[in-house]
Amino acid sequence: GAVVSQHPSWVICKSGTSVKIECRSLDFQATTMFWYRQFPKQSLMLMATSNEGSKATYEQGVEKDKFLINHASLTLSTLTVTSAHPEDSSFYICSGARGTDTQYFGPGTRLTVL
Amino acid sequence: KNEVEQSPQNLTAQEGEFITINCSYSVGISALHWLQQHPGGGIVSLFMLSSGKKKHGRLIATINIQEKHSSLHITASHPRDSAVYICAVYSGGSNYKLTFGKGTLLTVNP
Repeated sequence: GAVVSQHPSWVICKSGTSVKIECRSLDFQATTMFWYRQFPKQSLMLMATSNEGSKATYEQGVEKDKFLINHASLTLSTLTVTSAHPEDSSFYICSGARGTDTQYFGPGTRLTVL
Repeated sequence: KNEVEQSPQNLTAQEGEFITINCSYSVGISALHWLQQHPGGGIVSLFMLSSGKKKHGRLIATINIQEKHSSLHITASHPRDSAVYICAVYSGGSNYKLTFGKGTLLTVNP
């Protein structure tokens, strides 16, 4: 099956700093990548959908200036949490899809903001 | 918008028991996924269904398109099956956007 990696797997940062999370499709070209956030004991919440070479489409309530998404190539998307605060601490998961094929999920990145 | 309901929310079983987790959705779909999430967070895709039944090892997934219902069965459950099981549906469209259920926390005791 197709593999999606995320880096880093966990990160701890100070309040006010920015954190970048990478999502890579290792053995397929992901025309669409999705970014999710998951709080403890809750389901995945879609943050944004990004198509390669286009601006990301953000879900209602997600601040696009705070969560910067770049999908510059068919194998790499990045999520930058700008000026992170403790309430941004969460588990962030990306997934990739090729066209209308299924989604393949990354292993997730646990962000802790002190 | 598709609404996805899972039941039960929590399930505790003894090792060896037969497990069933249910998923209902409100609007016609193109495909339904069963996902597994272990403590620590990584998500594994177990099945993708658009009709009928699929089997992989001790796991069986069925879907009834007319009734808008799917079930995930685990035979001879084992403590390593303990995880959150998530149902997600794809309703069509240009992007493969999924709608997720809230998940079922399964705990299998030895």
